[in-house]
This record gives sequence, C-alpha cells and structure tokens, in this order.
Amino acid sequence: GENVEQHPSTLSVQEGDSAVIKCTYSDSASNYFPWYKQELGKRPQLIIDIRSNVGEKKDQRIAVTLNKTAKHFSLHITETQPEDSAVYFCAARGNQGGKLIFGQGTELSVKP
Amino acid sequence: NAGVTQTPKFQVLKTGQSMTLQCAQDMNHEYMSWYRQDPGMGLRLIHYSVGAGITDQGEVPNGYNVSRSTTEDFPLRLLSAAPSQTSVYFCASGFGGSGNEQFFGPGTRLTVL
Repeated sequence: GENVEQHPSTLSVQEGDSAVIKCTYSDSASNYFPWYKQELGKRPQLIIDIRSNVGEKKDQRIAVTLNKTAKHFSLHITETQPEDSAVYFCAARGNQGGKLIFGQGTELSVKP
Repeated sequence: NAGVTQTPKFQVLKTGQSMTLQCAQDMNHEYMSWYRQDPGMGLRLIHYSVGAGITDQGEVPNGYNVSRSTTEDFPLRLLSAAPSQTSVYFCASGFGGSGNEQFFGPGTRLTVL
C-alpha cells in the first residue's frame, strides 16, 4: 500500500523567510497530492493540491512542486508570517479515488 | 450546510467499554473516512467508504468497526476500548474520484483509562 514520508518534523524560520517541506510517496499509481494546514486545536484544512499531470502549482505565497519520476513533492511558503505557524500535512491518493494517506506532519514555527 | 459533524466532542471510557463515534455529512459526498491523530504520528487512516454499503480497511483498522448504511452517516465503533485507542479522531468526507477535496469534521477527543 501507499506510504508517505514527510520531512522535517519541525521547522523554525524567521518572519519573512521561506519554508520548504518535503514528502516522498511509494505508490507510483498515486496521482493526487494535497497539502493540509492544521492550527492548534482545529481540524485540518486544505491549502493547496496538485495532480500528477502538473509539475508545479502556485497560489499567492504558497506553491507545490511534484517530481513523479523521483516520487516526491514539496510545499514552498515564501515571505512567511506568524499566522503561517501551524502543522502542515502532505498526502497522496491513487487514481481510483480510494485511500488518502497522510505524512507524519511538520510543525512550522514562524518567529516575529 | 452543516458540513461534516462529529459527536461527541469529548469522551472518557474505561478499558473494555464499547462506544460509537458518530459522523454525518450533508453534502451528498460518496467518500467518507476515519482518521486518528496521535502526537508525531500524523493522521492515520482507520477505515474508509467509497459509497453506501461499501467499506474498506485503512492503515490501522484493528479494534475498530464501521458500517455505511446511508450516504450521510459513517459511525465508528470501538468494541472493547483499550488505552492505546486514546487519541483524537477525525472524520472526513468528499466527492468520489481522486482529485476531490476531503473536508474534515471538528474531531472527537477520546481518552481510555
């Protein structure tokens, strides 16, 4: 079955710096890769996603890149702000619309 | 729309007790799933369903049962609670197919003594 590895587990940056979180997946049939943000005590919420026919997607300060050959994808946050502090999860899903498997999460701390 | 709802919000059980965590959605989503969240372990899939009458196991199904008799409801049953099942449980739902967003419920915090 699918296995998703996420690194780093914690990340601390200064306000205004960039942050990068990386994930690898095992199932070459996976074709959908969402990223979720979870603030303390809240539910996870989708912030951006990418499908396997696209190499990069950007939405304002966040972007996701996908390398299907290497089976890894990354989240990039530019010009970080204190409100970006949260836990971020990557996930992967196959083309049959079945299991959505998550990585272990990255706790991002943005220091003012 | 109420979205994805879960009850109860908090629950304390004794070892060996049974209970059902409720999950409902009013968005006519085909896909529903249950996750548990433990520190450092991320979100681990327990069971999922791609439609009424169809369920399948996730990554950590042992000790949990599910059923999907209607599109709207997807209850999670703990038959004999164990301290290892202390966790935060999230239900999620979305339209079928690979590229559709999954919406999470507010979660249930369960403690097993």
